[in-house]
Amino acid sequence: AQTVTQSQPEMSVQEAETVTLSCTYDTSESNYYLFWYKQPPSRQMILVIRQEAYKQQNATENRFSVNFQKAAKSFSLKISDSQLGDTAMYFCANFGNEKLTFGTGTRLTIIP
Amino acid sequence: GAVVSQHPSWVICKSGTSVKIECRSLDFQATTMFWYRQFPKQSLMLMATSNEGSKATYEQGVEKDKFLINHASLTLSTLTVTSAHPEDSSFYICSADPSRGGETQYFGPGTRLLVL
Repeated sequence: AQTVTQSQPEMSVQEAETVTLSCTYDTSESNYYLFWYKQPPSRQMILVIRQEAYKQQNATENRFSVNFQKAAKSFSLKISDSQLGDTAMYFCANFGNEKLTFGTGTRLTIIP
Repeated sequence: GAVVSQHPSWVICKSGTSVKIECRSLDFQATTMFWYRQFPKQSLMLMATSNEGSKATYEQGVEKDKFLINHASLTLSTLTVTSAHPEDSSFYICSADPSRGGETQYFGPGTRLLVL
């Protein structure tokens, strides 16, 4: 069975600061994918970043980057130069065995 | 590109009635669609995987007779909540994958169901 753990229920950071959201996972699959999704108040799920487990290089998307530590089964998200629009729930997710498993989420608030 | 729509976005119904929710991939074909449920302030839980032209695969604990899924075409999947009860009130989200494998899911905007 797959599990995804997000140990930070809530975080807040000043605008323009950098923030890191933590995620650990467990899976028996050898081939899997990891994701960070953002869910703003509208509740539309938005893909932030994606990482293939077989790739050693950490994925980056503009201000968003991950620190993928495969041996430790850790997949943290770093948001640089945080903006007010980054305020949302962030879910870490693992795709393996043909299904997507989500963590419990971290509510991130960017303070003006 | 890769837009998924859901209809309706909001539905209120009386206990005992059935409600149908549609999920459409607007600009791509999706062999596989997924249905999730999200309770307030909680995470998304996979309910079932819907494959075009075949029966849906339900997750453990999800009643297949209560949550009927039909994937009639490569762009449409429907979820029917039969004989809805207040405990079925929730936010239902679908996703669609153009790649067949499920690792590239695009999410719909969700449907909020309130059963009175």
